[in-house]
Amino acid sequence: DADVTQTPRNRITKTGKRIMLECSQTKGHDRMYWYRQDPGLGLRLIYYSFDVKDINKGEISDGYSVSRQAQAKFSLSLESAIPNQTALYFCATSSPGLSTDTQYFGPGTRLTVL
Amino acid sequence: AQSVTQLGSHVSVSEGALVLLRCNYSSSVPPYLFWYVQYPNQGLQLLLKYTSAATLVKGINGFEAEFKKSETSFHLTKPSAHMSDAAEYFCAVFNDYKLSFGAGTTVTVRA
Repeated sequence: DADVTQTPRNRITKTGKRIMLECSQTKGHDRMYWYRQDPGLGLRLIYYSFDVKDINKGEISDGYSVSRQAQAKFSLSLESAIPNQTALYFCATSSPGLSTDTQYFGPGTRLTVL
Repeated sequence: AQSVTQLGSHVSVSEGALVLLRCNYSSSVPPYLFWYVQYPNQGLQLLLKYTSAATLVKGINGFEAEFKKSETSFHLTKPSAHMSDAAEYFCAVFNDYKLSFGAGTTVTVRA
């Protein structure tokens, strides 16, 4: 079984709809992240959470919200989806090391907003 | 803030040829640097990381990268490309408890 899972894997929705993307992990990591990937832009951080009570905005948080329901679950919501939120979304986890974190990624959710 | 720049969005190599992917970093302090690979329809997988120990870092699948402070570079190489190396590769820097990624380099391997 995969350590980091994302649901759904693909989603097509319409402008204005509310969408939730879910991430679950069995790695026992405290830290979780949401990124979006766009061609030619690499991955950009949307939100991150270092524990259940700690939520932080990343570089592109506008139009998104998150919920850390448990150590193992971190959900990303688009309250009112718009076409430029069409992208590939990745969840990642990490556990703080002595000097740095290694992040482990889920398989991604491809979201299309029409 | 620390950042990375990947030179070349696409690289095409022949099977058996050297693979060289370029990454330059910008940092005022010793950086922690990573290379990730993304195979089609998959998430990112860690290839290797530099954390200020040996400057030549060996990773999975025959890849290695050399940290060169004088050139602010962390280029990724593999001596002999295989068809299975076709993927997108991302350089990243650990920056204030987060990763900052380059734009990515897509590698195609010609038979």
